[in-house]
Amino acid sequence: EPEVTQTPSHQVTQMGQEVILRCVPISNHLYFYWYRQILGQKVEFLVSFYNNEISEKSEIFDDQFSVERPDGSNFTLKIRSTKLEDSAMYFCASSLGQKDSPLHFGNGTRLTVT
Amino acid sequence: GDSVTQMEGPVTLSEEAFLTINCTYTATGYPSLFWYVQYPGEGLQLLLKATKADDKGSNKGFEATYRKETTSFHLEKGSVQVSDSAVYFCALTGNTGKLIFGQGTTLQVKP
Repeated sequence: EPEVTQTPSHQVTQMGQEVILRCVPISNHLYFYWYRQILGQKVEFLVSFYNNEISEKSEIFDDQFSVERPDGSNFTLKIRSTKLEDSAMYFCASSLGQKDSPLHFGNGTRLTVT
Repeated sequence: GDSVTQMEGPVTLSEEAFLTINCTYTATGYPSLFWYVQYPGEGLQLLLKATKADDKGSNKGFEATYRKETTSFHLEKGSVQVSDSAVYFCALTGNTGKLIFGQGTTLQVKP
């Protein structure tokens, strides 16, 4: 069964550094998402992406964050200048369509900012 | 805005016990409802879904019924196994397709 893949599985970075988290969504999916889960807390929506543009973003997704689909297969999340509070598990997801289509998640990237 | 509330965990049960994890939601319009499961060290996997009132989603012995009158989508299983130990997330999508999660409920099943 096709799956969403994320790399790396664990990223350690120093405060102020830029990080890029990578995702390969399921190939025929059209909608792409990033979520994050701070340890012990709920899974929070960051951003959704469709037709090569952001369709919705949360208030968490400020100017430090950006997303890109640089080619036909990858979907990346960039954090320009990481802060300690960015430490979390970041999940990529994709789906065929809206509302009734379930999201398929990757296994996540654990980001640790020191 | 739209939101999902789940019962507090952790829930600790003995093998073969009956499981209920309560979930209620607040939403405008007619959301679709989902249960996702997160096994230790893994990502989120869809467990079951229901897209309209009175629909029952079921998978792997788990089931949940979309109750519009009580805005609930409680997860049940008649006989849990040790392998069911995981974190369970109730979630909804509105018209935008964005998935909104509850806070998650940890289930521990002891042999």
